[in-house]
Amino acid sequence: EVQLVESGGGLVQPGGSLRLSCSASGFTFISYAMHWVRQAPGKGLEYVSAISSHGGSTYYADSVKGRFTISRDNSKNTLYFQMSSLRAEDTAVYYCVKGSPTSVPRPFDYWGQGTLVTVSS
Amino acid sequence: EIVLTQSPGTLSLSPGERATLSCRASQSVSSSYLAWYQQKPGQAPRLLIYGASSRATGIPDRFSGGGSGTDFTLTISRLEPEDFAVYYCQQYGSSPQTFGQGTKVEIK
Repeated sequence: EVQLVESGGGLVQPGGSLRLSCSASGFTFISYAMHWVRQAPGKGLEYVSAISSHGGSTYYADSVKGRFTISRDNSKNTLYFQMSSLRAEDTAVYYCVKGSPTSVPRPFDYWGQGTLVTVSS
Repeated sequence: EIVLTQSPGTLSLSPGERATLSCRASQSVSSSYLAWYQQKPGQAPRLLIYGASSRATGIPDRFSGGGSGTDFTLTISRLEPEDFAVYYCQQYGSSPQTFGQGTKVEIK
């Protein structure tokens, strides 16, 4: 059974930093791209970042580019999201999402339960 | 990037009624890489439809998707109580992947 378990969320002051983790199991983690999608309170889904299976290629939405860094440790089956220079508008539930094992696009069939990041003084 | 516009914003219907949700893309969605998700309060989104019209594993056949190019629809043939939720479309064929803003299906 595929499982994605996020952790690391919490309350942080504006300008602060936080690192999210996503522990994956039930599939061959090293073979799959991974994604982060966030959802501000009461708002829709925003696609924010992605990383290829071996970590050589990454994507960032303009809203987080230069402040957030996606990475992965395939030996630990873990995805990370280092968040710096946090702003109030980064307040959201952050979801870890399983991607595609190849260059062929695939929908998001597995999502974590999400971890809430609150940026406030 | 491809902008997806969903309509209506809110759909007020009664159980047993038919729901038709629309998703319009600002440019053609390649190879019909269009998906629909259902989200209930406090839960992660759940994949319903992919490839515009294929049901995901375990999704009841009252859910159907259609369309191509720039216009797509999600139809729920007869609403069950558990179907009242927010629905999002997503295009995943072009980078960056994008989501629509959502349609809330509420009980009338």
